[in-house]
Amino acid sequence: AAGVIQSPRHLIKEKRETATLKCYPIPRHDTVYWYQQGPGQDPQFLISFYEKMQSDKGSIPDRFSAQQFSDYHSELNMSSLELGDSALYFCASALNTEAFFGQGTRLTVV
Amino acid sequence: SQKIEQNSEALNIQEGKTATLTCNYTNYSPAYLQWYRQDPGRGPVFLLLIRENEKEKRKERLKVTFDTTLKQSLFHITASQPADSATYLCALAINNNDMRFGAGTRLTVKP
Repeated sequence: AAGVIQSPRHLIKEKRETATLKCYPIPRHDTVYWYQQGPGQDPQFLISFYEKMQSDKGSIPDRFSAQQFSDYHSELNMSSLELGDSALYFCASALNTEAFFGQGTRLTVV
Repeated sequence: SQKIEQNSEALNIQEGKTATLTCNYTNYSPAYLQWYRQDPGRGPVFLLLIRENEKEKRKERLKVTFDTTLKQSLFHITASQPADSATYLCALAINNNDMRFGAGTRLTVKP
């Protein structure tokens, strides 16, 4: 069965650069979540979309933005990258309740 | 302030014993609560969901209880195996579009 696809799997960027992370949810799932997970930390909720509309916002810095497109894929845009942005970024999709997570994108800011 | 607390960062038990993990929350009124398993470097994997009107849910060797008065969920793994070693996260759903995770408990099952 198709799972949540995230790309790229790994990304290395320099400080002050911009990064774009992509997420392709499971077909027919109506909700997408983005989470940031630092080393040894729990996943921190960033933002979610329901039916392509932003539905909730967590601790997402103003430097970050996200959107969901007409084909339901979502992108997380991160600008003016800082060293502290280095983390695993997970996307999850859901239909009703159970969320399915992607493999994550490991972002390293140097 | 709103908090989700899981009993300990790490729990070590012997193979065959029952592991019990705790999730406590404050200032939330979740419609349901979920438990996820996470292996290093991987995304969380859904295990069980329990709704606010359910007291207990079972799935194979897993059992979850939910006490909305105590604001607590207990997650049990019976007859634990070394393959159960992982980090277990509880997640509260306020509604379908608002899911918050606890810090997780790292379980190690020793042979």
